[in-house]
Amino acid sequence: DGGITQSPKYLFRKEGQNVTLSCEQNLNHDAMYWYRQDPGQGLRLIYYSQIVNDFQKGDIAEGYSVSREKKESFPLTVTSAQKNPTAFYLCASSPPPGTYNEQFFGPGTRLTVL
Amino acid sequence: GEDVEQSLFLSVREGDSSVINCTYTDSSSTYLYWYKQEPGAGLQLLTYIFSNMDMKQDQRLTVLLNKKDKHLSLRIADTQTGDSAIYFCAERSNTGKLIFGQGTTLQVKP
Repeated sequence: DGGITQSPKYLFRKEGQNVTLSCEQNLNHDAMYWYRQDPGQGLRLIYYSQIVNDFQKGDIAEGYSVSREKKESFPLTVTSAQKNPTAFYLCASSPPPGTYNEQFFGPGTRLTVL
Repeated sequence: GEDVEQSLFLSVREGDSSVINCTYTDSSSTYLYWYKQEPGAGLQLLTYIFSNMDMKQDQRLTVLLNKKDKHLSLRIADTQTGDSAIYFCAERSNTGKLIFGQGTTLQVKP
């Protein structure tokens, strides 16, 4: 079955620690995205990548880092510099432009800082 | 800048119609989307509309687009308890990115 997987589903982190969230897709999509969701707020774009070995900052990139070494994978690292990292993190991917550009979402990772 | 606004909460009785409204600012948007999010899950695309259309119907869902007022609505006919979820409106910006609204929580009472 094609789709996007995120792991782990729940993640707990102590203050001052870096943590990496996994996102993998087998849809052969070029573009991948990371969003942060807080209660009562929409999705805010953290980083996105339109091609392997290239990525751009979104609206709230501070305290986060990404890599895109393979088409299938777009891991997100939440660093200790992120002041308020507790949130629900969603990964998405989309086919090339020229279509209606639906973004397909993973099931999300809930990160809690203790 | 680009912005998408939605009301935060809507409560309806089972069997009634639900109407969720959305306003956006980017007049160059080519596609507008409605996504559904169930508790603790990712987002699923419900439907989309191309900017040169006024209306799109898909089973119980009707999307209306007023491009002059930059207003989008989603009507769910015969709302069921399984429709309880958060509904997000999104516009596709001219850079290809999606801009999401805050989400409308739909509560369906039996």
